Amino acid sequence: GNSVTQMEGPVTLSEEAFLTINCTYTATGYPSLFWYVQYPGEGLQLLLKATKADDKGSNKGFEATYRKETTSFHLEKGSVQVSDSAVYFCALSNYGGSQGNLIFGKGTKLSVKP
Amino acid sequence: SQTIHQWPATLVQPVGSPLSLECTVEGTSNPNLYWYRQAAGRGLQLLFYSVGIGQISSEVPQNLSASRPQDRQFILSSKKLLLSDSGFYLCAWSETDNSPLHFGNGTRLTVT
Repeated sequence: GNSVTQMEGPVTLSEEAFLTINCTYTATGYPSLFWYVQYPGEGLQLLLKATKADDKGSNKGFEATYRKETTSFHLEKGSVQVSDSAVYFCALSNYGGSQGNLIFGKGTKLSVKP
Repeated sequence: SQTIHQWPATLVQPVGSPLSLECTVEGTSNPNLYWYRQAAGRGLQLLFYSVGIGQISSEVPQNLSASRPQDRQFILSSKKLLLSDSGFYLCAWSETDNSPLHFGNGTRLTVT
């Protein structure tokens, strides 16, 4: 079946450090891939997405590239800020880009220290 | 602009008691509506989704049910809560199957 595995947290970084949160998936067919972010006390928000192999999603300085050969969608940011502290969820959809049937990873909590 | 309201934010209920969580959306019509749950140490799991009034699809058989009595109202219920129902419940909406999901702030349910 379809599944998403992401690195366990928490991840603690100093401000301006480089961030990588690993995400790998198992899916039949050609899934769409997403990263959602949940800031403290808020609901989830779509951060970025990629709908086909080699696509790169980007937003707010974050990037992730859809790698079909390694079934990965790692999230990266070159220089994190305190305001990036949040829980990050990797997700896939196997419904041609539909987000109504997302399969989520367990989430990775990021804490950025000043 | 569209907004989604979900309440209560936290809830502590004894085993065997009933449950009702409510979610409403404003500023849009005929949205797709969803209930997700995040149990401790697990990812978000889709429980129910609805594409219209009175139409409910269940993804996971369980102790819970959902109803959509009005276009922009989505209710999650249980007649008798179990300890395993504890978790973080999130309501979400989207305009279509291919448009972004917008989440509410969630309800932290603890069954004691």
